[in-house]
Amino acid sequence: EVQLVESGGDLVQPGRSLRLSCTASGFTFGDYAMSWFRQAPGKGLEWVGFIRSKTYGGTTEYAASVKGRFTISRDDSKSIAYLQMDSLRTEDTAMYYCTKLTGNPYYFDSWGQGTLVTVSS
Amino acid sequence: DIQMTQSPSSLSASVGDRVTITCRASQDISNCLAWFQQKPGKAPKSLIYAASSLQSGVPSKFSGSGSGTDFTLTISSLQPEDFATYYCQQYNSYPLTFGGGTKVEIK
Repeated sequence: EVQLVESGGDLVQPGRSLRLSCTASGFTFGDYAMSWFRQAPGKGLEWVGFIRSKTYGGTTEYAASVKGRFTISRDDSKSIAYLQMDSLRTEDTAMYYCTKLTGNPYYFDSWGQGTLVTVSS
Repeated sequence: DIQMTQSPSSLSASVGDRVTITCRASQDISNCLAWFQQKPGKAPKSLIYAASSLQSGVPSKFSGSGSGTDFTLTISSLQPEDFATYYCQQYNSYPLTFGGGTKVEIK
């Protein structure tokens, strides 16, 4: 069974940094692209970005709202995907979810339970 | 960016009703359309990909159709566990974008 467990969410001041982790199990992590989404309180879903598998270069794509501030990386030896968030803004306050991607083009088939990031002074 | 427009934004229905939600893309996305279900306080759950293919384990009361710019999600006989918010999402091009959601409530 695929399991994705996010961690690292916290209350942080504007301008600070935070790193989220997504620990995966139940599948061969290194074979799959992984993505991050977020959902602000009471709002809809927003794609943050994703990272391809090493087979496809391990390259990344980002939403314009986070490009240059957020970085997605992966450690295949630990089955973990990371979301490094720098220069945080109050509008980054949200529940952050990681997802497993499959298919071509990529679509989502499994979601974690999320981790809450609150950006406030 | 491709805009995804869902309608209605909310609906009230009774147990046993057939429910249809529509999603329109601002440009042709072929069949690169997924549907998700989200219950309050829970993570989204993937229902459908490629416009009409059911994710593993999703009951057949859910069905999707459409291609190009117009898509529908149908729940054939609404059950209590189906009351939730439903989102469509295109994955034809980046950035990946979602519809605004349709909240299905009990009448």
